[in-house]
Amino acid sequence: GAGVSQSPRYKVAKRGQDVALRCDPISGHVSLFWYQQALGQGPEFLTYFQNEAQLDKSGLPSDRFFAERPEGSVSTLKIQRTQQEDSAVYLCASSLVPRVSNQPQHFGDGTRLSIL
Amino acid sequence: DAKTTQPPSMDCAEGRAANLPCNHSTISGNEYVYWYRQIHSQGPQYIIHGLKNNETNEMASLIITEDRKSSTLILPHATLRDTAVYYCIVRSGNQGGKLIFGQGTELSVKP
Repeated sequence: GAGVSQSPRYKVAKRGQDVALRCDPISGHVSLFWYQQALGQGPEFLTYFQNEAQLDKSGLPSDRFFAERPEGSVSTLKIQRTQQEDSAVYLCASSLVPRVSNQPQHFGDGTRLSIL
Repeated sequence: DAKTTQPPSMDCAEGRAANLPCNHSTISGNEYVYWYRQIHSQGPQYIIHGLKNNETNEMASLIITEDRKSSTLILPHATLRDTAVYYCIVRSGNQGGKLIFGQGTELSVKP
């Protein structure tokens, strides 16, 4: 079946521009996660949704980062007034059931964001 | 969430078993051990997970010690396509069970 889909695959923006990154989770998956991966590092948690509710946004690095999932399926990560340090791969993951630690998360291939 | 320790890199000959170790000495009773791998330019791929018992699937086997303080991921017949960074993660059910990645082990399978 279809996996997690992210778009665009690559995004180049000038410093100060706003960007929006899209995630289509696996159909029926309740939980959705966003992670940020800097070059040479492991992914770092940004935020978590259960259906449309954003239950954890403790990993968002600043108030320039905003995520939403209005209908409980597709999610968008928005970064306002981008800075060079925002350059990274942004990964989305989904899992079937919330708050159950024996349900694996399945990842998309990410959006590689480059800020010039 | 418990922290994990993995060797930064390992080599393995093609066709041989790759045994990747992980230490998680502070693991709690309700925390699962997960393994993911990440091939260059792709997202992390789920491999296997376990709580107490050894687990096996079509990709790998997971051996967890009786005291649960360490585990080993076994790829029984490594191929060149298994070259990747392998992450061992201890995961709780709190806050939806976010994954906390370390640096992982960079496995190089050589012909």
